[in-house]
Amino acid sequence: ELKVEQNPLFLSMQEGKNYTIYCNYSTTSDRLYWYRQDPGKSLESLFVLLSNGAVKQEGRLMASLDTKARLSTLHITAAVHDLSATYFCAVEAQSNYQLIWGAGTKLIIKP
Amino acid sequence: DVKVTQSSRYLVKRTGEKVFLECVQDMDHENMFWYRQDPGLGLRLIYFSYDVKMKEKGDIPEGYSVSREKKERFSLILESASTNQTSMYLCASFLSSGGHQPQHFGDGTRLSIL
Repeated sequence: ELKVEQNPLFLSMQEGKNYTIYCNYSTTSDRLYWYRQDPGKSLESLFVLLSNGAVKQEGRLMASLDTKARLSTLHITAAVHDLSATYFCAVEAQSNYQLIWGAGTKLIIKP
Repeated sequence: DVKVTQSSRYLVKRTGEKVFLECVQDMDHENMFWYRQDPGLGLRLIYFSYDVKMKEKGDIPEGYSVSREKKERFSLILESASTNQTSMYLCASFLSSGGHQPQHFGDGTRLSIL
């Protein structure tokens, strides 16, 4: 059974700092997705990672995938308040294309 | 842009009522999903559909059913609502896994069962 674990589940940080959110998963998968959710809003797709070693960057966010370690990271560089949100990773099950979701990381960036 | 529309943002119903949540997408997507989102549990898949009139159970189908009579519409039905079904319900769609596309989400329906 595919399981996805994110950590930390809650992160409070100051503007200007760097930090990393981790997403571990339990069985083989080549496709991993990162989403952002603002309070009261729906989920917005951030990154799609499709192969080992994939790295995607958008502004202050950078996501990477290591399929051998079954690990993806979402790195935040020089955080700004606007990045406050909950971030989810989701892994696609190879057998039936369903997404298995992490519990989410609530990120608060204090000005 | 893909548009996934859920019929209600907020809904309050009573225990035992039959509840319908509607979801419509405008991009001719084959696959549609219903999730519920609860604090600390992430998203849990209730049902999904990969074609008209086709449906598959997700991880937590008990107490729910679905209907997909047309490609663009996927309905979630709570047969007899209970208080433990109070939650945020999210609908999503995507074209196909082969296209490596992310799922696109509606705004969600926050359902309260009293």
